[in-house]
Amino acid sequence: DTGVSQNPRHKITKRGQNVTFRCDPISEHNRLYWYRQTLGQGPEFLTYFQNEAQLEKSRLLSDRFSAERPKGSFSTLEIQRTEQGDSAMYLCASSPSAGEAFFGQGTRLTVV
Amino acid sequence: QQQVKQSPQSLIVQKGGISIINCAYENTAFDYFPWYQQFPGKGPALLIAIRPDVSEKKEGRFTISFNKSAKQFSLHIMDSQPGDSATYFCAASMVGGSEKLVFGKGMKLTVNP
Repeated sequence: DTGVSQNPRHKITKRGQNVTFRCDPISEHNRLYWYRQTLGQGPEFLTYFQNEAQLEKSRLLSDRFSAERPKGSFSTLEIQRTEQGDSAMYLCASSPSAGEAFFGQGTRLTVV
Repeated sequence: QQQVKQSPQSLIVQKGGISIINCAYENTAFDYFPWYQQFPGKGPALLIAIRPDVSEKKEGRFTISFNKSAKQFSLHIMDSQPGDSATYFCAASMVGGSEKLVFGKGMKLTVNP
């Protein structure tokens, strides 16, 4: 499968714990995006990388959220001190150029 | 402020019918308009996309119609099938600027056999 890969697919964590998600984009895609989707809503933009540079961050991305793409390949999204409001599907997408984006299957986070 | 507004919120059609989903956008700087299909528990899948230099684009049973002056675009699904039952999202982005996709709230389509 050469699509966008996200791990884990599901994560249940206790409030206050830290979690980290990984995204492996489609090979040679230099653009990588993180989105968050809650039930009944469309995905909301969190942050965007072009190669290893983080070019844009949403105001939705509080100080508890951090994302990295150290070598311009895979990316990680970390949430520190999780809150119940962080429960959502976290989606990663990659793109070879501006415009079309291909999404992974997402990581569903449940904070209990 | 919702930059991309989608309607209706849900739609039920019979097999073989035409499904039409509408979107309106506010930011005239948007220049890329994709439609995504999402099944429960899965990520959105890119269906078809259009840029404002054309008024219509067709791929198989899916057609996008684009009206730049009205700032509206729509997805038509011809010969709808039960397998098309999913949530459909319109989105918009600025290829030359902020490349993030701004999504509508989605429309749940049910195609009855």
